Amino acid sequence: AQSVTQLDSQVPVFEEAPVELRCNYSSSVSVYLFWYVQYPNQGLQLLLKYLSGSTLVESINGFEAEFNKSQTSFHLRKPSVHISDTAEYFCAVSEAGRRALTFGSGTRLQVQP
Amino acid sequence: DTAVSQTPKYLVTQMGNDKSIKCEQNLGHDTMYWYKQDSKKFLKIMFSYNNKELIINETVPNRFSPKSPDKAHLNLHINSLELGDSAVYFCASSLTPPGSPLHFGNGTRLTVT
Repeated sequence: AQSVTQLDSQVPVFEEAPVELRCNYSSSVSVYLFWYVQYPNQGLQLLLKYLSGSTLVESINGFEAEFNKSQTSFHLRKPSVHISDTAEYFCAVSEAGRRALTFGSGTRLQVQP
Repeated sequence: DTAVSQTPKYLVTQMGNDKSIKCEQNLGHDTMYWYKQDSKKFLKIMFSYNNKELIINETVPNRFSPKSPDKAHLNLHINSLELGDSAVYFCASSLTPPGSPLHFGNGTRLTVT
């Protein structure tokens, strides 16, 4: 069965500093990987996804994530964060042939001025 | 607006009552989901329908009954509500192919007193 681990429940960081949110997964088959962001009192929004091809994927607002098959990781990074990036970030995985996503427990990114 | 919309946004009710949450999507998707997010922000799949057919039914008490009258709607009916049912319930939709990202509604916050 697939599972997702987000080791950091909270990550405080100062504005304009770099950040990395860690995600590891376990699965015995091919997977698709996603990062979602949840702002307060809202639903989840897709940030970026890895399906195949280049292992480095980017979002339109400066986030990127790299799929590392040997380390079964899909860490999310941003070189310089803004106050507006404060939110809950969820890593998710779906196995080939299964549509539903399995989510990690989330990481609260708190950007401080 | 193209979106996944769910009603009501907030639902406060007493133990033992029966309540329903409605979900509609106008994205042309053929797969819909119900997820439960607990107080620790953990997201867990409950049900999934593809073209009105139930395809995922996780370990959920049979007090929860989903109904999909057509592929654009997926409702959730809950009988005999319990305190532990308090959570945020998210509806989501996607296209059929594995790896298709999910689009989420803004959630229904259910509080059972």
